[in-house]
Amino acid sequence: SQQGEEDPQALSIQEGENATMNCSYKTSINNLQWYRQNSGRGLVHLILIRSNEREKHSGRLRVTLDTSKKSSSLLITASRAADTASYFCVGISQGGSEKLVFGKGTKLTVNP
Amino acid sequence: KAGVTQTPRYLIKTRGQQVTLSCSPISGHRSVSWYQQTPGQGLQFLFEYFSETQRNKGNFPGRFSGRQFSNSRSEMNVSTLELGDSALYLCASRRREISTGELFFGEGSRLTVL
Repeated sequence: SQQGEEDPQALSIQEGENATMNCSYKTSINNLQWYRQNSGRGLVHLILIRSNEREKHSGRLRVTLDTSKKSSSLLITASRAADTASYFCVGISQGGSEKLVFGKGTKLTVNP
Repeated sequence: KAGVTQTPRYLIKTRGQQVTLSCSPISGHRSVSWYQQTPGQGLQFLFEYFSETQRNKGNFPGRFSGRQFSNSRSEMNVSTLELGDSALYLCASRRREISTGELFFGEGSRLTVL
């Protein structure tokens, strides 16, 4: 069963607008990563945030992490049509048996 | 440098058959992990290999198995295929063990079970 959950499941916006996606997870994590997947392709790493960090920026991306709420958000500013993709959060769990936990992804559509 | 290569990209099998998928990681990467992606269940972790040893395993039945060779290439095998095994199978590599750094994904092998 999924141990991560992205919200919303689908998001449709206009070019130039900001897109915010949220992720919640159930286990304690060492770090959380966001990935992007174009339709039916492999995933591409976007950004990693460690459990002792609260916020991180990379270009038009801003990620926050709240370990007390077990949640993270990804903000894409000034979105472009090329940002259309599915976005996944991936938690790297703590403990001796580290597993990746994924959500089902947020499908973002940016309309030109 | 070359990315992660998965073969075959597409394949069709019938119920009861078995299938072997291959993954060649990025040169120098010793960790290879496998994932199943379906519309209903999303992305699920299958297993991870590091230096030819299985380090972690997801919650999949024993019909799903894998191995890693000394050159870090990995294969996964699914025996006695079921309709529900139809999915995109992704592999990813990284230089070190699963807890550090980013994963580099291949384009996937799309399996259809009829």
